[in-house]
Amino acid sequence: GESVGLHLPTLSVQEGDNSIINCAYSNSASDYFIWYKQESGKGPQFIIDIRSNMDKRQGQRVTVLLNKTVKHLSLQIAATQPGDSAVYFCAENSGPGGTSYGKLTFGQGTILTVHP
Amino acid sequence: DTGVSQDPRHKITKRGQNVTFRCDPISEHNRLYWYRQTLGQGPEFLTYFQNEAQLEKSRLLSDRFSAERPKGSFSTLEIQRTEQGDSAMYLCASSPGVGGDRLKGTEAFFGQGTRLTVV
Repeated sequence: GESVGLHLPTLSVQEGDNSIINCAYSNSASDYFIWYKQESGKGPQFIIDIRSNMDKRQGQRVTVLLNKTVKHLSLQIAATQPGDSAVYFCAENSGPGGTSYGKLTFGQGTILTVHP
Repeated sequence: DTGVSQDPRHKITKRGQNVTFRCDPISEHNRLYWYRQTLGQGPEFLTYFQNEAQLEKSRLLSDRFSAERPKGSFSTLEIQRTEQGDSAMYLCASSPGVGGDRLKGTEAFFGQGTRLTVV
């Protein structure tokens, strides 16, 4: 099934804190996952991705963790800054047999607010 | 600008009118996607092109919706006889497709979207 929600979870942190945003995905056959950041009035911006044969991937200030056993994905942002304030979406590749990469099913977003 | 470009950014139309949106993908990306996003929700997949071929369409894409990518470059999304329920952000994304660094080839990059308001 797809994750939908009219009331997005929220996370408020202080500048400099580490943030952890969680996501549960539904399709055990998904083999590719992406985190997107979306600011008001803009399109989703790619942050980091991970394939199902990995359990951790690091970028600049961001780390994605994948737990396939419980179908859980998390995004860790180190030293969160006010510019990180946005809605964060996880997305899973939902194409059959890996032929439709880019056809994504988005999870429920999380609103991150970073206070100076 | 080398990103995905969408035009117009905003469109207000009266119910029953037809509207057309344009998407210019990142150069040489052979995969192009259309998504729709309503307030408070994540984007929902509408349709997908590999070059000029439309390979997949969501059940969300009613017969009032049609998408084309005639030369495998830019794409258009047309909505006929618009309804108030069509009000949403229409997002276009592109990806290079599989090849080379497989992980990078699957990244989908989104445009800024076209905000449609049907009054």
